[in-house]
Amino acid sequence: NAGVTQTPKFQVLKTGQSMTLQCAQDMNHEYMSWYRQDPGMGLRLIHYSVGAGITDQGEVPNGYNVSRSTTEDFPLRLLSAAPSQTSVYFCASSYRGEVEKLFFGSGTQLSVL
Amino acid sequence: QKEVEQDPGPLSVPEGAIVSLNCTYSNSAFQYFMWYRQYSRKGPELLMYTYSSGNKEDGRFTAQVDKSSKYISLFIRDSQPSDSATYLCAMKEYSSASKIIFGSGTRLSIRP
Repeated sequence: NAGVTQTPKFQVLKTGQSMTLQCAQDMNHEYMSWYRQDPGMGLRLIHYSVGAGITDQGEVPNGYNVSRSTTEDFPLRLLSAAPSQTSVYFCASSYRGEVEKLFFGSGTQLSVL
Repeated sequence: QKEVEQDPGPLSVPEGAIVSLNCTYSNSAFQYFMWYRQYSRKGPELLMYTYSSGNKEDGRFTAQVDKSSKYISLFIRDSQPSDSATYLCAMKEYSSASKIIFGSGTRLSIRP
C-alpha cells in the first residue's frame, strides 16, 4: 500500500518556468489538498478538493492551479514560477467524512532561482 | 493576527521529562483539534485528534482542549529521544469540506 506519493522529491526552477507537482493516492480518499511549508510559517493550505471535478482555494492560492479529473490524482501547477514559491510542498488526503485525519506525502522541495 | 498561534521553540528537555506543547486560537468555530508529528525531512503524521473539551489519552500522549480559553495542549510523559520532532497543532470547523489550519509547529529535542 503506497499511500500518498509525490513526485518529484526535489526540483530547481528558474523564474518564469512552469512545472507540475504530481500527487497520487491509492486509498480511495475523496479529499485531497496541497500545503506549502516555510520556516516559521507552519503548513499553509494552497488548494483542496472534496472529489473529482471539485476544487477550491485555500489560504495562499495565488500562482497555483489545480484540477481533479480522477479520485486518485491531484496535480499542482505553477504557471510562472517566482522565487517566493521556493518552499516544501506537501500533498495530503483523507476520507471526506474524516478530513481531520490527513495522510501526507513525503514532500517536494522546490527552489526557484 | 493568525488564527492559530504556536510557540516555535526549539524546546529541549532531558529524557524522561514531561513535555507540554501548547497552541492558542482565535476562531471560536473550530470544533476539531489535532496534533501532528513531523520528523525531519518527512511529511507530518497524525498523532492525536479530539472533538471535545477535556482530556484524551493515548499511551504516553495526552491531548487537552479548553474551548472556553481557546487553548489546546499536548503532554508527553516519559519522553524518549525518538519523540524528537516538530509538533504541529491543527484545527478545523465542523463542516467536512472546510479547511484545516495548522500552527507553525514546535521543534522538540529530547536529550538522552
